[in-house]
Amino acid sequence: DGGITQSPKYLFRKEGQNVTLSCEQNLNHDAMYWYRQDPGQGLRLIYYSQIVNDFQKGDIAEGYSVSREKKESFPLTVTSAQKNPTAFYLCASSSLAGLEQFFGPGTRLTVL
Amino acid sequence: ILNVEQSPQSLHVQEGDSTNFTCSFPSSNFYALHWYRWETAKSPEALFVMTLNGDEKKKGRISATLNTKEGYSYLYIKGSQPEDSATYLCAFPDKLIFGTGTRLQVFP
Repeated sequence: DGGITQSPKYLFRKEGQNVTLSCEQNLNHDAMYWYRQDPGQGLRLIYYSQIVNDFQKGDIAEGYSVSREKKESFPLTVTSAQKNPTAFYLCASSSLAGLEQFFGPGTRLTVL
Repeated sequence: ILNVEQSPQSLHVQEGDSTNFTCSFPSSNFYALHWYRWETAKSPEALFVMTLNGDEKKKGRISATLNTKEGYSYLYIKGSQPEDSATYLCAFPDKLIFGTGTRLQVFP
């Protein structure tokens, strides 16, 4: 089955620790995205990548880092510099032509 | 940053009621608008892709219209059912911006 997987579903970390969220897709999509959702807010773009080995900052990139070494994978690292990391994180992918985004199931990160 | 507003923020209706909500956006530089349906604990799911002024799309009891000149899109649900309960998001794919969503709850 084609789709996007994110792992883990729930993640707990201590304050000050870096943590990496996984996102994998087998849809052969060129573009991948990371969004963050906080209660009462819409999805806000953290980073996106339209091609392997290239990525762009979104609206709230501070405290996050990404890599795109493979077309299928776009991991997101939440660093200790991120002041409010507790949130729900969604990964998405799209073909460059279609723009319609397909989403993964999300990871809920809680920093204690 | 594109200013996208969705209203209302939340909506509670009885089963069988019809309802509608709005996505408002600046009308200049419009390219496309997507509507997504996002159920709790699931991934957002694409409903409609709207590109042309006057577009009207329909999927079952759900339909959407687009007015790019005045900068709004309406989403209508006819005869709401409990399974329609979800958050409905509008998005601008070329600008990678999502609205804040309308959270719909349908009570049996």
